[in-house]
Amino acid sequence: TQLLEQSPQFLSIQEGENLTVYCNSSSVFSSLQWYRQEPGEGPVLLVTVVTGGEVKKLKRLTFQFGDARKDSSLHITAAQPGDTGLYLCAGGPGTYKYIFGTGTRLKVLA
Amino acid sequence: DTEVTQTPKHLVMGMTNKKSLKCEQHMGHRAMYWYKQKAKKPPELMFVYSYEKLSINESVPSRFSPECPNSSLLNLHLHALQPEDSALYLCASSQDGAPPAGTGYGYTFGSGTRLTVV
Repeated sequence: TQLLEQSPQFLSIQEGENLTVYCNSSSVFSSLQWYRQEPGEGPVLLVTVVTGGEVKKLKRLTFQFGDARKDSSLHITAAQPGDTGLYLCAGGPGTYKYIFGTGTRLKVLA
Repeated sequence: DTEVTQTPKHLVMGMTNKKSLKCEQHMGHRAMYWYKQKAKKPPELMFVYSYEKLSINESVPSRFSPECPNSSLLNLHLHALQPEDSALYLCASSQDGAPPAGTGYGYTFGSGTRLTVV
């Protein structure tokens, strides 16, 4: 069974701080997505990474896909209260069945 | 139109009721999904439809019955649910369930239906 473990599970930081969230698996994924979910809403796609070693930037967010395509990280620079939410990675083995990670709940305090 | 629309947003039903959740997208996506999300947990896959045919059923109890009337619509029929079925039910769509090598397709999710079974 493929599993995606995220760390940390919970993170509470002050506005302006930097943070990194990790998504790890023992399985290889053909692609990996990162989502952010706010309470009462569906997850919103932030980025898709497909190539080992790939780095993508979205404003203050930097996403990296591991060389072996088994892990990924999300780095947020100068976090803002609007970044608060549940961050989910999701891996696709190449079929319809995307597996979601265990989630990281981020709270950014003003 | 880049949205997935789910109705209703909230639903309270008794254990003997029959109700349906509806999902609609007009992005031309050919794969549609139902996910169940319990509080403080990640979404769990229930069903996948690809080109209007059921391709994955994740051993979901028969009290949940999916239906895909056409490429834009996805329903989830509910009957004789249990209180433990209370959750956020999310619909999603994607361009295709099986990305070709070198590309990756993410999901577009709806806002979900918050279901409470009493």
